[in-house]
Amino acid sequence: AQKVTQAQTEISVVEKEDVTLDCVYETRDTTYYLFWYKQPPSGELVFLIRRNSFDEQNEISGRYSWNFQKSTSSFNFTITASQVVDSAVYFCALSEAGGNTPLVFGKGTRLSVIA
Amino acid sequence: EPEVTQTPSHQVTQMGQEVILRCVPISNHLYFYWYRQILGQKVEFLVSFYNNEISEKSEIFDDQFSVERPDGSNFTLKIRSTKLEDSAMYFCASSLDRSSKEQYFGPGTRLTVT
Repeated sequence: AQKVTQAQTEISVVEKEDVTLDCVYETRDTTYYLFWYKQPPSGELVFLIRRNSFDEQNEISGRYSWNFQKSTSSFNFTITASQVVDSAVYFCALSEAGGNTPLVFGKGTRLSVIA
Repeated sequence: EPEVTQTPSHQVTQMGQEVILRCVPISNHLYFYWYRQILGQKVEFLVSFYNNEISEKSEIFDDQFSVERPDGSNFTLKIRSTKLEDSAMYFCASSLDRSSKEQYFGPGTRLTVT
């Protein structure tokens, strides 16, 4: 069975600090996809990144970076120089390869960035 | 940029009433989904839909729920007789095809059952 664990329920940082959100996943599949979504206070789910299990290269997009470690089944998300607008709930999710398989979400990490 | 839209944004209904939540997926997408998020909890999969039939459903999606694509654009979720515990945010999502794994989410419909 698939499972996504986000152990950090809430994190609070001061603006301009770096922050890392942890995500650990479980799956029996050798091919799978990992995602991060952002849910701002307005409630919508904003897609941030998708990573497939064959691509362990880390990715950087502006102030966002992702560290995929297959050996530890982790897909961590770092925000550099955090801003107040980064305040949101962040969800890590997993799906199996093939077809339109559903996303399995973690419980989310609420990030508060204080000015 | 194309986006998934959902109506209404907020629905209040009395226990036992039927509700229909509406979604317009991105126009060339082929796979459609419903998820729900009870307040403060994680997002949970309800059902996926492809080629005019249900592909997969979770144990949450019992006989009280049904989905339909009544025309070429709308994708609906019907709850036949709402319960208090159906109160949640309901998200519709769509994806392009089998090879595309990005599911694009709508803004959600907040359902409140009183």
